[in-house]
Amino acid sequence: AQKVTQAQTEISVVEKEDVTLDCVYETRDTTYYLFWYKQPPSGELVFLIRRNSFDEQNEISGRYSWNFQKSTSSFNFTITASQVVDSAVYFCALSANSNSGYALNFGKGTSLLVTP
Amino acid sequence: SAVISQKPSRDICQRGTSLTIQCQVDSQVTMMFWYRQQPGQSLTLIATANQGSEATYESGFVIDKFPISRPNLTFSTLTVSNMSPEDSSIYLCSVGETVSYEQYFGPGTRLTVT
Repeated sequence: AQKVTQAQTEISVVEKEDVTLDCVYETRDTTYYLFWYKQPPSGELVFLIRRNSFDEQNEISGRYSWNFQKSTSSFNFTITASQVVDSAVYFCALSANSNSGYALNFGKGTSLLVTP
Repeated sequence: SAVISQKPSRDICQRGTSLTIQCQVDSQVTMMFWYRQQPGQSLTLIATANQGSEATYESGFVIDKFPISRPNLTFSTLTVSNMSPEDSSIYLCSVGETVSYEQYFGPGTRLTVT
């Protein structure tokens, strides 16, 4: 069985603060993929990153960075110098080969509010 | 990444009626999925719709209620049948890229059942 836990339901920060969104996953598969998606108020789901289970290198993309640690089954997402436009719901997701193919198992999401 | 469109973008339907949602992709894809997002909730997989095979439904979703067609590698439909207010949700299709396993989503269909 696969499971994704995002323990933080809501986070509120002031603009320019750094914020980390936590994601913990469970899977018995050795090959799996981890994702982060952003869902702004408009509702569309925006792909941010995919990581496979064999690549533990951290990744940085502008103000976004991701920390993948297999030892703790975590795939955390940090936004540096947050901006109001970062306000959205962020979903962590996991996929592995299963009866559903590589469908995504989503966490419950973390709602981030960035205030000026 | 694939460009995905969905029709309709939103609809308001009466209880007991059915709505068919279309998902069109600008390139051929093998993996296609349908998800539901109830208000304020996360996304839940309804079914996997790979071309050339019957759709595979998740627990809690049945073909009679959510029939799916996948006639080719660029198109799929999801029908929400005999609707009730509990079906009010956003319905999203997504496609998975075979090599990278990246998955991209359509803009969603926002359904309200009155």
